[in-house]
Amino acid sequence: NAGVTQTPKFQVLKTGQSMTLQCAQDMNHNSMYWYRQDPGMGLRLIYYSASEGTTDKGEVPNGYNVSRLNKREFSLRLESAAPSQTSVYFCASSDNSGADTQYFGPGTRLTVL
Amino acid sequence: ILNVEQSPQSLHVQEGDSTNFTCSFPSSNFYALHWYRWETAKSPEALFVMTLNGDEKKKGRISATLNTKEGYSYLYIKGSQPEDSATYLCAFANQAGTALIFGKGTTLSVSS
Repeated sequence: NAGVTQTPKFQVLKTGQSMTLQCAQDMNHNSMYWYRQDPGMGLRLIYYSASEGTTDKGEVPNGYNVSRLNKREFSLRLESAAPSQTSVYFCASSDNSGADTQYFGPGTRLTVL
Repeated sequence: ILNVEQSPQSLHVQEGDSTNFTCSFPSSNFYALHWYRWETAKSPEALFVMTLNGDEKKKGRISATLNTKEGYSYLYIKGSQPEDSATYLCAFANQAGTALIFGKGTTLSVSS
């Protein structure tokens, strides 16, 4: 049981480049989430998917797009990276959103130059 | 805008001290309150999920209480150990089917 996996672990981009962060879970969870972690800001929700086929914006969605590819996979895309998107990105999943425990992936450290 | 506040922002204690931190959240439309433990360079890990007013949860030396009427939860650590050093996050949900709103965390440092 791998839990929540994320790829890549590290990435360096130049301003304007695009990339997709991948996330997969093997716990048959319905809900998946993308967060970013910045110093002093805690965890901020970018987008979430309460169930397969649905996605909703979180607190900081600008500059990002998501795709819930199937029940297992939830990807985050940066279309035109900016230095302000330098952060650590965490994917998480839960059985359902709200009262169920979230399980986090190992994170992706992204630097935009 | 729903806001979750945690205090203190950080604290430093000696090994063996007991400590507690506070999480404040909106008292209306409560659904669930979560606590997570987040060690440096790792991912957050769940400690507790509480849904009922008056709930108390315990895991080893760590316990938590919940007051939904006044909108706060306390996390207690009894006899702190260096391995308890981490950031402790609380997160609030105001209804089923919504994402959690996280506080910024309390960072605990325990010296031996």
